[in-house]
Amino acid sequence: GDSVTQMEGPVTLSEEAFLTINCTYTATGYPSLFWYVQYPGEGLQLLLKATKADDKGSNKGFEATYRKETTSFHLEKGSVQVSDSAVYFCALSAGSNYQLIWGAGTKLIIKP
Amino acid sequence: NAGVTQTPKFQVLKTGQSMTLQCAQDMNHEYMSWYRQDPGMGLRLIHYSVGAGITDQGEVPNGYNVSRSTTEDFPLRLLSAAPSQTSVYFCASSSTGTGANVLTFGAGSRLTVL
Repeated sequence: GDSVTQMEGPVTLSEEAFLTINCTYTATGYPSLFWYVQYPGEGLQLLLKATKADDKGSNKGFEATYRKETTSFHLEKGSVQVSDSAVYFCALSAGSNYQLIWGAGTKLIIKP
Repeated sequence: NAGVTQTPKFQVLKTGQSMTLQCAQDMNHEYMSWYRQDPGMGLRLIHYSVGAGITDQGEVPNGYNVSRSTTEDFPLRLLSAAPSQTSVYFCASSSTGTGANVLTFGAGSRLTVL
């Protein structure tokens, strides 16, 4: 069945460091891919998405490119801030029932 | 614009008690869902609905009931609470058109079952 695998956390970085959070997927067909973010004590919110191969989603300085050849959707940011500390979830949608398949989440800790 | 509103934010139950977690959205979204979030396990889908009068089971439905009598409301009922149901519960909604899968989440309800 469809699945999403994320790198395990926590990931700890210093402020202004470069961030990569890896996400790979297994799916039949042509899924849409998503990154959601959960700040402490809050619900999840959509960070960015891509709906077809080679699309790049971007928001708040974060980027991710839909790579069909490597079945990946890695999240990147050039210079992280303390306020980026959160849990990041990769997800895919492949079917017609509006459901998402979720990764386990990666906790990101940014130290000043 | 309230988005998705969940109540209560916190609840402590004793084993065997029943309760209802409330979820309401004001965005006229057709799709609504309930997830539970447990440490190290990500999000697991409990139940979902694609419109009023239509509900279906997700990955972990046992011990929970839902109903969808209106577009706006999607309550989650715990029939006889067990310690294994201690978790943080999230309600989420989306449209079923071009905005499908762009979920709007509530702030969560933290449930402890003793």
